[in-house]
Amino acid sequence: DTEVTQTPKHLVMGMTNKKSLKCEQHMGHRAMYWYKQKAKKPPELMFVYSYEKLSINESVPSRFSPECPNSSLLNLHLHALQPEDSALYLCASSQTLLATARPGELFFGEGSRLTVL
Amino acid sequence: AQSVTQLDSQVPVFEEAPVELRCNYSSSVSVYLFWYVQYPNQGLQLLLKYLSGSTLVESINGFEAEFNKSQTSFHLRKPSVHISDTAEYFCAVSGFWGYQKVTFGIGTKLQVIP
Repeated sequence: DTEVTQTPKHLVMGMTNKKSLKCEQHMGHRAMYWYKQKAKKPPELMFVYSYEKLSINESVPSRFSPECPNSSLLNLHLHALQPEDSALYLCASSQTLLATARPGELFFGEGSRLTVL
Repeated sequence: AQSVTQLDSQVPVFEEAPVELRCNYSSSVSVYLFWYVQYPNQGLQLLLKYLSGSTLVESINGFEAEFNKSQTSFHLRKPSVHISDTAEYFCAVSGFWGYQKVTFGIGTKLQVIP
């Protein structure tokens, strides 16, 4: 059983639509991540929240807007996306953001597969 | 900055045969090294990790990886694969200090043939 839950599993949207991806974890983790994974490519880090504050933004276009309403929830708001934004969006969490605290122990959800028409 | 190179994009292997998935890393500082596995239509799962100490690390399902500092490698091996091992395997690296920023390799698709 995955302990990071992502919804929806699949999403199809037009370039003028506004939609959101949601992620939830109940492990008490204080760091949460959004990764983007295109076909046959590795996951690429987009955003990281630590203690509900945005800590890392990997120069992601503003059409992607993250939000962390509380320590268990992470949203990714999507607006005016392009077809090249079609990908698997993975949410992950870890105990903390510090490299020395349980390094590499990221817990991933199953992902939300996004198709932009 | 750290990076990893996975030398094989696909590795076909017959069931019960041994397998080695290759990974080389590049970094000017000390690093942590990981292998993650992604089964079809699922997220990634941490398979094993090297932090320090013994250079040979093992997972609960029979995989092992050996950290070789002189060759900057962290190859993943299993002496006898099963159909259920069919998946994408990602080598990954993060630095010792600061934020836990895990950088993934391009992935190796292990295809176990019955």
